[in-house]
Amino acid sequence: DTGVSQDPRHKITKRGQNVTFRCDPISEHNRLYWYRQTLGQGPEFLTYFQNEAQLEKSRLLSDRFSAERPKGSFSTLEIQRTEQGDSAMYLCASRSGTEADTQYFGPGTRLTVL
Amino acid sequence: GQNIDQPTEMTATEGAIVQINCTYQTSGFNGLFWYQQHAGEAPTFLSYNVLDGLEEKGRFSSFLSRSKGYSYLLLKELQMKDSASYLCAVRDRGYQKVTFGTGTKLQVIP
Repeated sequence: DTGVSQDPRHKITKRGQNVTFRCDPISEHNRLYWYRQTLGQGPEFLTYFQNEAQLEKSRLLSDRFSAERPKGSFSTLEIQRTEQGDSAMYLCASRSGTEADTQYFGPGTRLTVL
Repeated sequence: GQNIDQPTEMTATEGAIVQINCTYQTSGFNGLFWYQQHAGEAPTFLSYNVLDGLEEKGRFSSFLSRSKGYSYLLLKELQMKDSASYLCAVRDRGYQKVTFGTGTKLQVIP
C-alpha cells in the first residue's frame, strides 16, 4: 500500500453513461497525476495537477474527459458518454515537490465499457 | 516529446542475472525511472537516475548514460517473484510530465 487510494477499484458501465473516479493522494503531496493504461502498454499520461491547478493536459484527453482537484487534496476524473475504447485501467499517482521524489501510484480503477 | 524503446519480452532463469535495456529520445530530460508492475497491479518504484552512472539497490541496479540516451536495469539472483513487467519512464524538464515506455515483460523460469 503506497498511501494513494482510488475508488472504485472496478467499474462496469454501458456505453453512453457517465462515470466518475476518485483519487486520494498521500496527504503531503501537492502534485497529482492521472494515467490510463491498456493491456500490454505502459501508463499514458492524461493530466497533472499542482495543488488545485491543472497545469498540463494530454492531447489524448478528449472533451469527454474532465478532471478536478478542487481543494488541492483529492481529485476526480469524469468521463462523459463513455465509449468502448475508454475501457482501461485508470491510475492516479502523487508526489511531493522535491526534485528527486518519485510518483507513488494508487491501485487503479479498472473501467469496462460494455 | 519523448520516445522510449525497450524490449517487449525477456525470459531468464531463476538465480541468473538479467539486463533490461531502455533507450530514449527526448526534448527535455530530468531523470529516468524504473518501475516494476505485476499483472493487474499498479506500478511500484524501483530506481531513479538523473546523473550518469550506476545506482545499486540490493539485487537491483540501474545505469544511465545521458549522452547516449540509454539506461539499463540489472536484476541479480533472479527469483520467481521477479516475473513482472518492467517500465522505463523519463521525466520532462520542469519535473512534471513522466512518459512511460511500453514495458518489458520478464518471465523467470525454474
